[in-house]
Amino acid sequence: DTAVSQTPKYLVTQMGNDKSIKCEQNLGHDTMYWYKQDSKKFLKIMFSYNNKELIINETVPNRFSPKSPDKAHLNLHINSLELGDSAVYFCASSHTIGEQYFGPGTRLTVT
Amino acid sequence: GENVGLHLPTLSVQEGDNSIINCAYSNSASDYFIWYKQESGKGPQFIIDIRSNMDKRQGQRVTVLLNKTVKHLSLQIAATQPGDSAVYFCAENINTGANSKLTFGKGITLSVRP
Repeated sequence: DTAVSQTPKYLVTQMGNDKSIKCEQNLGHDTMYWYKQDSKKFLKIMFSYNNKELIINETVPNRFSPKSPDKAHLNLHINSLELGDSAVYFCASSHTIGEQYFGPGTRLTVT
Repeated sequence: GENVGLHLPTLSVQEGDNSIINCAYSNSASDYFIWYKQESGKGPQFIIDIRSNMDKRQGQRVTVLLNKTVKHLSLQIAATQPGDSAVYFCAENINTGANSKLTFGKGITLSVRP
């Protein structure tokens, strides 16, 4: 009974490609998030959605476009991938800003 | 073993000893704090939280201390076990209404020696 799931777990692609990462939560939470974790383990929020509405957009390049078809799903689409996009991307969800439940992460490698 | 601030990214402790992981947060308006544990290849996992109207909170083998005067947060782990080896993050919440968000500190690696 996975709480927050992401697919794929690993993603290797070439520069310039477009890719998507999917996230689903079965916790009934209203808010979902995308985080980026770099090679130094620094974890930074990218987006948050509340009831399918974009709440936070942390100066992320517009090549990144989150989409929330319903409040249980928040997908991340990335256009024109660059080398610097290589990182681990985590989806998370919460009822409130408090305790966030994280997915297992998607390791994106851009070559 | 004790880690002072975030300048030492790795803390090594002997199994069975107590661990203290420290965190200096940035915003005096932060009203909620969380410690997360991240094991290799996994997402961060909630450990314990504390609100700004408290200065101490205890869980199972873990205690979080909050000193708002100096904007300092610590996580104490009693009788550290090999399974405690992980990267630990403190996070602060700045309550800005609809745009409330968690800001994570730099991770600190805890390594438990058998």
